[in-house]
Parts: sequence; structure tokens; C-alpha cells
Amino acid sequence: DIQMTQSPSSLSTSMGDRVTITCRASQSLGTYLNWYQQKPGQAPKLLIYSASTLESGVPSRFSGSGSETHFTLTINSLQPEDIATYFCQQSYFTPLTFGGGTRVEIK
Amino acid sequence: QMHLKESGPGLVRPSGTLSLACTVSGDSVSSVTHYWTWIRQTPGKGLEWIGYIYSSSVTDYSPSLKSRATISVDTSRNQLSLKLRSVTAADTAVYFCASSLVSRGYDLSVWGQGTPVIVSS
Repeated sequence: DIQMTQSPSSLSTSMGDRVTITCRASQSLGTYLNWYQQKPGQAPKLLIYSASTLESGVPSRFSGSGSETHFTLTINSLQPEDIATYFCQQSYFTPLTFGGGTRVEIK
Repeated sequence: QMHLKESGPGLVRPSGTLSLACTVSGDSVSSVTHYWTWIRQTPGKGLEWIGYIYSSSVTDYSPSLKSRATISVDTSRNQLSLKLRSVTAADTAVYFCASSLVSRGYDLSVWGQGTPVIVSS
């Protein structure tokens, strides 16, 4: 199985800040990497697919980059509704695997 | 717009069979445009992919669950189902169904709300 490692596991930041989350894969994925946002009591929501393509309806302050084994999710100008846990997921092949999550909190 | 909703018993006895359904609206479970997927989430192991079904009969499972899991579709009810046999406390989780567009691969664009399942006597 492909192992996905996210960092940091949690971060504390201020409204309006830029947030960067990293995801590393145990083997090359090309750009088969997706990002999700999950709020308490809710299902994950797809934000970005194919490493950098914004899902329809997702605000443009979210962006993704990277390829092969190193990927980043960036949130520009953090908003109150962005407080959540973020997961990466490889879709290169099955079994699909997820990162452990990054919890974004407010200072 | 597609919607998914999971249903099933919230409590299952150890060594029993967990049976869940996911009702799909907005598309057909027999369509060849989507992978229909089951995922579970626990505080300890995080998000875990269980498997998917495609075109009503093509399935793929996580190697760790393959011996116990069966995913199928009921076209008359437009549902997909999950059966997990010989459950233990380790199968206690929130279970989600989700769909992905075959044309895009395995990114999970639509999710159900999730249903919690506790394995306990």
C-alpha cells in the first residue's frame, strides 16, 4: 500500500493568515493526489483533485501544488469557515489511502 | 445533483455481519460513469478505503478486508450495499459511501453523511 504522511498534524493560526499543509507519498503518484476538508460531524468534502484542480464551488483561496511524492495544500487568507481537518488521498491505484489529517485551529 | 445516504443498524454483535445500504439519488447505481465506494473512519486509524463497485459487478477491495467484505448493488432500489462478516470491536467506525467519476479516476466527489456503527455485545 502507498503510505501518505501529512504534516503538521495540527496547526494554530490567525484569521487572514496563509496556511500550508504538506503531504508526502511513499512512492511516486504523478499528480494523482486529492485534498479534502472535514468539519466535525460531517463527511469529508473534496477541495482539490489531480493535485491542483479546484473542485467546482470551492473558493479560490484554496490551491494545491506538487507532483510525484511531495504535495502542498495552501489556504490564502484563512476564513472562519476554514476551521476544519484536512486530508490528502492518493488516487494512483487501489487500495486508495489517506493521510492522517491536519487539524487547523485558531490561536 | 447526486445525493447519497447511508442506512443500517447502529449496533452489531461481535462475530456477526454488518449490513449497510447507501441510497443514491440523481444517478443510477448501474451507470458506468461512477465508482461507488465504501470508506470508514475511526479516531485511531483515520480514513480507510473498503472498496468499490463499478458497472454493477466489477469490484475491488482493500486487501485487509477482502476476505470479509462484499459490495453489491440493488438496482430496483438504486442502492449499493456493504456486508462485512465476522466483525470485531475493531470494525467500530463511521461508515461512508461515496462516488467518483470514472473519467477522473478515484477522487471522491460526492459523499453520504455517514452512519456510525458500534460492534459490541
